[in-house]
Amino acid sequence: TQLLEQSPQFLSIQEGENLTVYCNSSSVFSSLQWYRQEPGEGPVLLVTVVTGGEVKKLKRLTFQFGDARKDSSLHITAAQPGDTGLYLCAGATKAAGNKLTFGGGTRVLVKP
Amino acid sequence: DTGVSQNPRHKITKRGQNVTFRCDPISEHNRLYWYRQTLGQGPEFLTYFQNEAQLEKSRLLSDRFSAERPKGSFSTLEIQRTEQGDSAMYLCASSLSGTLNGYTFGSGTRLTVV
Repeated sequence: TQLLEQSPQFLSIQEGENLTVYCNSSSVFSSLQWYRQEPGEGPVLLVTVVTGGEVKKLKRLTFQFGDARKDSSLHITAAQPGDTGLYLCAGATKAAGNKLTFGGGTRVLVKP
Repeated sequence: DTGVSQNPRHKITKRGQNVTFRCDPISEHNRLYWYRQTLGQGPEFLTYFQNEAQLEKSRLLSDRFSAERPKGSFSTLEIQRTEQGDSAMYLCASSLSGTLNGYTFGSGTRLTVV
């Protein structure tokens, strides 16, 4: 059974600060995705990473996939109140039909 | 296409009643997934379809839960004899098999069992 652990579970920072969220597993994933979810809404896809060691940037967000494809991180530079939300990592394996397994999420609060 | 649509958005029901939720996926997507999410947690997989075939059901899905996708388009999730522990957000998502484009989620149906 895949198990994705996210840390920290909760992060509260001031506007302008940086933050990093981690996603770890003992399983090797064919792809890993990050989603952001706001209260009362479904998760929205931010990025997909597929290659070990891959780094993707999306404006102030930087996503990294570990060399062994077992872990990932999300780094936000100069966080803004609009970055507030629940950040979810989700991994897929071919053995599981590329069905996504989600981590428990990291709740981020950016205070103005 | 307006994305994945779920109805109703909210449902309050008494314990022991049956409820049914509907999901309309993105029309070009052949895969449809149901997840359940409790407050502050990540979504938990329940079941998924490729076209009209139900390919996998989680062990979380008791006999009181049933899902259908009769024509490979919309799907329904029914919960019979609801219990308070069924209270959660039920999320539907769709995707195209064979791609790594990720899932498109609906806004969910929030079920409260009183």
